[in-house]
Amino acid sequence: LAKTTQPISMDSYEGQEVNITCSHNNIATNDYITWYQQFPSQGPRFIIQGYKTKVTNEVASLFIPADRKSSTLSLPRVSLSDTAVYYCLVGDRPFSGGYNKLIFGAGTRLAVHP
Amino acid sequence: DAGITQSPRHKVTETGTPVTLRCHQTENHRYMYWYRQDPGHGLRLIHYSYGVKDTDKGEVSDGYSVSRSKTEDFLLTLESATSSQTSVYFCAISGTQETQYFGPGTRLLVL
Repeated sequence: LAKTTQPISMDSYEGQEVNITCSHNNIATNDYITWYQQFPSQGPRFIIQGYKTKVTNEVASLFIPADRKSSTLSLPRVSLSDTAVYYCLVGDRPFSGGYNKLIFGAGTRLAVHP
Repeated sequence: DAGITQSPRHKVTETGTPVTLRCHQTENHRYMYWYRQDPGHGLRLIHYSYGVKDTDKGEVSDGYSVSRSKTEDFLLTLESATSSQTSVYFCAISGTQETQYFGPGTRLLVL
C-alpha cells in the first residue's frame, strides 16, 4: 500500500480557501485517493474520492496531477465548523472482491479561526 | 449518514474481564471492519469481515476476536481486557465498490 505524507497541522480563517496537499509517491495503478474528515468524538466521515484529474462534490474538490504522486484537497470558504482532522488515504478499490483496505496516517489537523 | 450503530457507546471495565462490543448496520453491506484509535497512531485495523462467518485479522489483532453470524452484526470481543486496550473503537462498513463508512465509536476504559 502506498504511504502518504501530509502536513501535521494547518491554520486558516473563516471564508478562506484551504488546500491540503498529500504526497503519495508510490501510488499503484489500481489505487484511488480518498479523503476523510474527523471531528472530535466522532468517526471519520468520507469527503471525496478520485483517481485522476479533478473531482468535485458539494463539500470539496480533489485535484490530482497527471503523475498521481500527489493530490490536493480544496475546501472553499471554510467556516469554524470545518475545524477537524483530515486524512488522505491511498488504496485500491475492491474490484476483485477483496476488501477495501485503508491505512490511516496521523492526518492534518485544520484549525479555522474567526 | 450510513446506518451504523455501535453499542455500548461508553464502557468502563476492569483488567481481566471479557468485553464485547457490537456493531450493527442496516445497509446490507458485505464488508465490516473494527478499528481502534489512539493518540499518535491514527486508526488501526483490528479485524475485518467479508461475509457471514468470514473474518480475517488486521494489523493489531492480538487480544481480540470477532464474530459475524448475521450480515448486519459484527461483534468484537476482548477475551481478557488489559489496560493497553483502553481506546476508542470504531466500526466501519463498505459495499463491494465503495469506500468505508464509520460508526460513532465506543470509548472503552480498562482499569
